[in-house]
Amino acid sequence: GQQVMQIPQYQHVQEGEDFTTYCNSSTTLSNIQWYKQRPGGHPVFLIQLVKSGEVKKQKRLTFQFGEAKKNSSLHITATQTTDVGTYFCAGIRLYSGGGADGLTFGKGTHLIIQP
Amino acid sequence: EAQVTQNPRYLITVTGKKLTVTCSQNMNHEYMSWYRQDPGLGLRQIYYSMNVEVTDKGDVPEGYKVSRKEKRNFPLILESPSPNQTSLYFCASSYGTSGSDEQFFGPGTRLTVL
Repeated sequence: GQQVMQIPQYQHVQEGEDFTTYCNSSTTLSNIQWYKQRPGGHPVFLIQLVKSGEVKKQKRLTFQFGEAKKNSSLHITATQTTDVGTYFCAGIRLYSGGGADGLTFGKGTHLIIQP
Repeated sequence: EAQVTQNPRYLITVTGKKLTVTCSQNMNHEYMSWYRQDPGLGLRQIYYSMNVEVTDKGDVPEGYKVSRKEKRNFPLILESPSPNQTSLYFCASSYGTSGSDEQFFGPGTRLTVL
């Protein structure tokens, strides 16, 4: 089953408010990727984080990778109607024996914006 | 234009009638995979392929088959579809063989099995 947990499942915000989605894994991740899926569309790659503690920004979006490489977050400042969609994290889970899992997606966070 | 294409985009069929969903990419990517997306369950990987003639099971492979005879194509085969395979299906490709790179998704195929 899916071992990359993502919360919340749904988030309603007023336009202009901030939004954050969180991704957690029980095991260390080699990297974390974030995708956005617009309603009726397909997932589109946003960014990849690889280093422990890494922070990257894309305009109003801020992505963080935890120090232990087990968690990540996506924060959107001052949401706009164009931000509507589902945000997925995806990671490669590492095993202590040296193996690695395939890319595992979280269940996604649906962002709903009320004008 | 670099892209992943899927056909058909929509399909309604009946239980037991074999079907194939095609997937093709023009980016010379090594890695290709199939996902199904269901409400509340997110994206779950069905099968993946790291290279030509190399395929492996993902998280939910039961009831599906795949083949990778050419680098650009990765068809998904449902030999005997059942209603629980009603879903939205996405094909994806990425550059390296590990599947850890940026995934490029196709537009999706919405399948209904009656």
